[in-house]
Amino acid sequence: SQKIEQNSEALNIQEGKTATLTCNYTNYSPAYLQWYRQDPGRGPVFLLLIRENEKEKRKERLKVTFDTTLKQSLFHITASQPADSATYLCASNSGYSTLTFGKGTMLLVSP
Amino acid sequence: NAGVMQNPRHLVRRRGQEARLRCSPMKGHSHVYWYRQLPEEGLKFMVYLQKENIIDESGMPKERFSAEFPKEGPSILRIQQVVRGDSAAYFCASSTGEETQYFGPGTRLLVL
Repeated sequence: SQKIEQNSEALNIQEGKTATLTCNYTNYSPAYLQWYRQDPGRGPVFLLLIRENEKEKRKERLKVTFDTTLKQSLFHITASQPADSATYLCASNSGYSTLTFGKGTMLLVSP
Repeated sequence: NAGVMQNPRHLVRRRGQEARLRCSPMKGHSHVYWYRQLPEEGLKFMVYLQKENIIDESGMPKERFSAEFPKEGPSILRIQQVVRGDSAAYFCASSTGEETQYFGPGTRLLVL
């Protein structure tokens, strides 16, 4: 079965810098990867989806890449702000359109 | 357009009691998914339902857990004879059948 790995250590960066989060998958190349944001005590919020045949996707200050050779997706937040502080989850499709999630990486943006 | 609604938001049960968690999908969504999140763990898929049908229950424990999504009304995740290990946040998500799932705020279950 698919396994999604994200860096368990929190990422601390300064406001204005670019945050880069990593997501690695271990088995078959998924048809797509999704990124979600989760704040404490809340449900995940969908951010971006990137398909296997797409190299890059952008939405405002967010950018996601998908490298099937490295079995990796990178999630970038440019010009980061303290309000971007949250846990970011990577998920891949599996089974009947269900999702397999990584444990998430906490991002802390300090002013 | 209201998002996915879950209730109750917090539920406290004693060991051996039953827990019922409800989920109303987004308007126009007929696909519902339940996930469980333990502290320091990722979201784990439990069950996928469409109206009146269980499509995939491969992530659901074989005993004590059941789920339904009736023709009318919310989807319900039922846990019978709860044990301390059932304490977790339970999230419901819905979709139109496309890839993106929209999550509710979750129900935090605490078993004493």
